Amino acid sequence: AQSVTQLDSQVPVFEEAPVELRCNYSSSVPPYLFWYVQYPNQGLQLLLKYLSGSTLVKGINGFEAEFKKSETSFHLTKPSAHMSDAAEYFCAVSGANAGGTSYGKLTFGQGTILTVHP
Amino acid sequence: EAGVTQSPTHLIKTRGQQVTLRCSPISGHTSVYWYQQALGLGLQFLLWYDEGEERNRGNFPPRFSGRQFPNYSSELNVNALELEDSALYLCASSFGGLLGEDTQYFGPGTRLTVL
Repeated sequence: AQSVTQLDSQVPVFEEAPVELRCNYSSSVPPYLFWYVQYPNQGLQLLLKYLSGSTLVKGINGFEAEFKKSETSFHLTKPSAHMSDAAEYFCAVSGANAGGTSYGKLTFGQGTILTVHP
Repeated sequence: EAGVTQSPTHLIKTRGQQVTLRCSPISGHTSVYWYQQALGLGLQFLLWYDEGEERNRGNFPPRFSGRQFPNYSSELNVNALELEDSALYLCASSFGGLLGEDTQYFGPGTRLTVL
């Protein structure tokens, strides 16, 4: 079974301050990890993903995430927050079972609401 | 390139009624996924269709069902609506990776309100 924990339900930051949104996962097989962003009354937009290879992944809008297997973490960071970054962010995991069959689903964390203050 | 589209945008139903939601995937995608985003419950996986077949199902009662058409579009049907079915229903599509490595792209969602 797979699970995702987003450690903070809300993260307030000031404009131009650094952002870190934390995500820990549990998976019995090598995971595929994703971060999505959701603006009010909209669907989910992909920020970045980790499938394999380099553990530091760069995404859109200046966001990055680092896959740390030993810590089972995939934290999302940005060096300088903009007002337009205010949204809800979701970490998700997908993969296959031990038999190699895809679950076909994303398992999401509970989301982190990022608020940006001027 | 057009993204995932969903219809209708909003709808209001009463308890006991039935509803059909529609989703058109990105061109070339063969897999369609449905998720429910209810207040306080987060994003929950409902159904996965690939090549016209139901491949996986989340922990939802049988009154939630769907299908995928030959053009890969999909419908989600919910029978005997209950108040707790009020939610944003999100559809996603992908190329259908065998190991779950494919990226899911989401539509804007359908907001269902059950009175």
